[in-house]
Amino acid sequence: EIVLTQSPGTLSLSPGERATLSCRASQSVSSSSLAWYQQKPGQAPRLLIYGASTRATGIPDRFSGSGSGSDFTLTISGLEPEDFAVYYCQQYGSSPYTFGGGTKVEIK
Amino acid sequence: EVQLVESGGGLVQPGRSLRLSCAASGFTFDDYAMHWVRQAPGKGLEWVSGISWNSGRVGYADSVKGRFTISRDNAKNSLYLQMNSLRVEDTALYYCAKVFGITMVGYYMDVWGKGTTVTVSS
Repeated sequence: EIVLTQSPGTLSLSPGERATLSCRASQSVSSSSLAWYQQKPGQAPRLLIYGASTRATGIPDRFSGSGSGSDFTLTISGLEPEDFAVYYCQQYGSSPYTFGGGTKVEIK
Repeated sequence: EVQLVESGGGLVQPGRSLRLSCAASGFTFDDYAMHWVRQAPGKGLEWVSGISWNSGRVGYADSVKGRFTISRDNAKNSLYLQMNSLRVEDTALYYCAKVFGITMVGYYMDVWGKGTTVTVSS
């Protein structure tokens, strides 16, 4: 099983600041099969990034994904008020299709 | 509009069974694999089970293997999760999610339902 470790657990930032979220896998994720999801309180997760770096339909370009192998990063270039949420990475390259523990981006 | 609507959740005693359903609309259901993902109160996301477009391949998390069974009825555009021998630790919000592909491996979850709540308690 591929274990995904997200850091930090919580990120306290102000609107307009840059957020950098990390997702580290216990082994290489095949074919960069890594996705990022955003979840707001009381809502279902929403797909942001797939294939490690491709933005999903309708996702603003302030969200970007990078990385390969076992190290991945989600960057939000300038936080908007609606971006404060919990972010999860997930690998879909091999079963079980594990999720990271999440990073909460909160308003400082 | 692509939509997934889960149902069937509720309060159940430990050891009992429950069957969840997910009704799909707005897309060609039998062109895509599907997953169940759960979220315990205040916790993160946990993949539970997945099924390919034609039910030819299924997969389960170790935590539910042997107790849960995933299935689908493409004629009814529906996904199911039969949950037996329920435990307190199965308490969670259960989401169904559509996969952007015919099988699970190599394809991400692109659409999620709002979820149905399962509470296992005596």
